[in-house]
Amino acid sequence: GAGVSQSPSNKVTEKGKDVELRCDPISGHTALYWYRQSLGQGLEFLIYFQGNSAPDKSGLPSDRFSAERTGGSVSTLTIQRTQQEDSAVYLCASSTDRASSYEQYFGPGTRLTVT
Amino acid sequence: AQSVTQLDSQVPVFEEAPVELRCNYSSSVSVYLFWYVQYPNQGLQLLLKYLSGSTLVKSINGFEAEFNKSQTSFHLRKPSVHISDTAEYFCAVGYNQGGKLIFGQGTELSVKP
Repeated sequence: GAGVSQSPSNKVTEKGKDVELRCDPISGHTALYWYRQSLGQGLEFLIYFQGNSAPDKSGLPSDRFSAERTGGSVSTLTIQRTQQEDSAVYLCASSTDRASSYEQYFGPGTRLTVT
Repeated sequence: AQSVTQLDSQVPVFEEAPVELRCNYSSSVSVYLFWYVQYPNQGLQLLLKYLSGSTLVKSINGFEAEFNKSQTSFHLRKPSVHISDTAEYFCAVGYNQGGKLIFGQGTELSVKP
């Protein structure tokens, strides 16, 4: 079946612009996660959705970052007034809520470059 | 704060040699442990996981990892590596079912002929 998909695969934007990153999880997966992978910082957790609600948004680095999920499926991560330090690969993952699983499946990522 | 430490950022090794990639985590509570692999220009793939039961877990391509609760470690081993094992390996820990994963900084395994 189809895996986690993300769009765009690459995004170059000017400092100060807003960007939206999209994630389509695996069909039927109730949990969705956003992570950020950058040089020197490794993989950092940003936010976690269970259905449409976000019980853990502790990793969002500032109020310029927000995310939503609609219909228990697609999620959008929005970064307002982008800064150069926002440059990174943004990864989305999804998982089921079955107790026997707990495996997170990752998408290919969106490479964001802020110039 | 919860953390995961991968002690080696880079591990160069010759083909057919054994390798161990080290991972330690900070916690005294129940954990779920994972190793993910990222091949060049590819996404993260699950290599193996420990959820409960046997402390020794194995992957289909010859890697294995052992959960050691007393040492809070989950080291990854392979008795004989191949060129195709060249990749970055990430150790990850989950503390709550369904919650976030905390990743180590990654270990770049470079297998040379």
